[in-house]
Amino acid sequence: DIVMAQSPISLPVTPGEPASISCRSSQSLLHRDGYNYVNWYLQKAGQSPHLLIYLASRRASGVPDRFSGSGSGTDFTLKISRVEAEDVGVYYCMQALQTPHTFGQGTKVEIK
Amino acid sequence: EVQLLESGGGFVQPGGSLRLSCEVSGFTFSEYAMNWVRQPPGKGLEWVSSISDSGDTTFYADSVKGRFTISRDNSKNTLFLQMNSLRAEDTALYYCAKLPVSFVRGWYDFWGQGTLLTVSS
Repeated sequence: DIVMAQSPISLPVTPGEPASISCRSSQSLLHRDGYNYVNWYLQKAGQSPHLLIYLASRRASGVPDRFSGSGSGTDFTLKISRVEAEDVGVYYCMQALQTPHTFGQGTKVEIK
Repeated sequence: EVQLLESGGGFVQPGGSLRLSCEVSGFTFSEYAMNWVRQPPGKGLEWVSSISDSGDTTFYADSVKGRFTISRDNSKNTLFLQMNSLRAEDTALYYCAKLPVSFVRGWYDFWGQGTLLTVSS
């Protein structure tokens, strides 16, 4: 199974400041089609997860451009250029290259 | 508007069975692979099972293999998860989630609101 390791687990942030979350996979997520099958989700309190980033760097529909994803192979990063209060919640990276699909442990983002 | 509505959760004793349903609307259900993901109370997300668009191909987490069965009725726009031999560790909020393709690789572009299963004596 592919293990997804996120860091940090907890991330206190200041509104207006940037934030970054790392995700490392135990195997390469680069498929022969040239895409990295890593995705990022945000789960706000009491809600289901929703898609932020897919294929490592593509923003999902309706996602603000302050969110960006990067990386290839086994190292990936989610960046928020300027955190807003509505960005609090738990962020998960996930690989859906092969089954079992696996998630990172989650990063809890909260306002300082 | 894409909607996924899970139902069927509840309270079950260990060893019992339950069937979850996920009724979808807003897209052509028969063209997309689907998944079940669960989240134990206060914990992270765990993939449970996936099924291709036609239902011909299914995948399971080791923790549920042999006990859970994923299926779909494309004529009724509904995804199912039959759960047998339930254990306390199956207690979780169960989400259905859609893939944007017919096969089981990609990302989950839409999620339901979840249905809660509690397994306890």
